[in-house]
Amino acid sequence: GESVGLHLPTLSVQEGDNSIINCAYSNSASDYFIWYKQESGKGPQFIIDIRSNMDKRQGQRVTVLLNKTVKHLSLQIAATQPGDSAVYFCADLTGANSKLTFGKGITLSVRP
Amino acid sequence: GAVVSQHPSRVICKSGTSVKIECRSLDFQATTMFWYRQFPKQSLMLMATSNEGSKATYEQGVEKDKFLINHASLTLSTLTVTSAHPEDSSFYICSARGGGGYYGYTFGSGTRLTVV
Repeated sequence: GESVGLHLPTLSVQEGDNSIINCAYSNSASDYFIWYKQESGKGPQFIIDIRSNMDKRQGQRVTVLLNKTVKHLSLQIAATQPGDSAVYFCADLTGANSKLTFGKGITLSVRP
Repeated sequence: GAVVSQHPSRVICKSGTSVKIECRSLDFQATTMFWYRQFPKQSLMLMATSNEGSKATYEQGVEKDKFLINHASLTLSTLTVTSAHPEDSSFYICSARGGGGYYGYTFGSGTRLTVV
């Protein structure tokens, strides 16, 4: 079946560097994408989202890029901080009444 | 912002007993809530969609008689794990549609269930 997946299971970055987390999706009908951050023992926390009619969206220290041609989604975190250490999930939706499909998750580890 | 409160955060129960987990939307009404299960170092797996005033819709492979869902009001959904066994031990997370983001999915803080 179609699914949202992530390329790498772990990412280790130096504090202060920029982080890029990638996600590949397979459902060409997906029209809404979300990045979540999950800290240990907690529920997912919304970071940023993007609709399929956009290719870039910026938030505070985070940017999401969407490339529909190659079905690729990325999350960029500027000046990564220790508090950014967590598991990051991408998720997609196909329409308002569909269900969120989560990717496998990638662990971001920030080295001091 | 939108807040979803989930309780308890941790629960330990004996094998064969039932456990109820509550999910409340605190500052918005949620006609639809979702229940997920998450194993260690794995992604969230949707178990069921809870609709206020009607029966829940379960995902394939999820036993509806074991995982009872009740969505009696616009702000409360409950998941009851009946006759729990050690293999039911997991992290359970609820989500409500309403709040942050375009479609407004907000997650609870999760419940760690340990069945001994």
